[in-house]
Amino acid sequence: KNEVEQSPQNLTAQEGEFITINCSYSVGISALHWLQQHPGGGIVSLFMLSSGKKKHGRLIATINIQEKHSSLHITASHPRDSAVYICAVRSQGSARQLTFGSGTQLTVLP
Amino acid sequence: DGGITQSPKYLFRKEGQNVTLSCEQNLNHDAMYWYRQDPGQGLRLIYYSQIVNDFQKGDIAEGYSVSREKKESFPLTVTSAQKNPTAFYLCASSPYQGANQPQHFGDGTRLSIL
Repeated sequence: KNEVEQSPQNLTAQEGEFITINCSYSVGISALHWLQQHPGGGIVSLFMLSSGKKKHGRLIATINIQEKHSSLHITASHPRDSAVYICAVRSQGSARQLTFGSGTQLTVLP
Repeated sequence: DGGITQSPKYLFRKEGQNVTLSCEQNLNHDAMYWYRQDPGQGLRLIYYSQIVNDFQKGDIAEGYSVSREKKESFPLTVTSAQKNPTAFYLCASSPYQGANQPQHFGDGTRLSIL
């Protein structure tokens, strides 16, 4: 079993829809990251969180440490939101770096 | 603007050749990382470096080598010992390795075998 599991793997939505991407992990963590990978391959860090909720524009990230689960929400989705969204965790007490989920391919249709 | 520059964007390698992927950052970050991305899989750590002249193996270091002679540069060499080198390679950096910090990523290099 992978340490970080994302669902769904693929998601197609109509413009304006509310979108939720889920991330579950199996280890104790010190932080969880949400990343966005554009079609050209470059990656942008969206959020880093260790508790609660963060919001940036139309993006909201939440985390439940007890349930080892995080969600990324996109409100009023737009075709420019189409990208791969990646969840990554840093294990507690680990000298290693991030462990990544396999990503969720989001396509928002006009 | 500060950032990470990877070059080239596309790279082709013949069987038995070594190739070197460049990664340069002007963010004054101490830590740098190399990841490999394959279709349907999460990024996997190849090597990382916390400080100049020091680097550590990641999960899939076999067939790869790195150097960290300068703070801003962390080149990755894909050697002929890497039997399946075709992949997308991403370089990243962060201010320092010890604390939780967002990683900044380059735009990647796509390596293909001729």
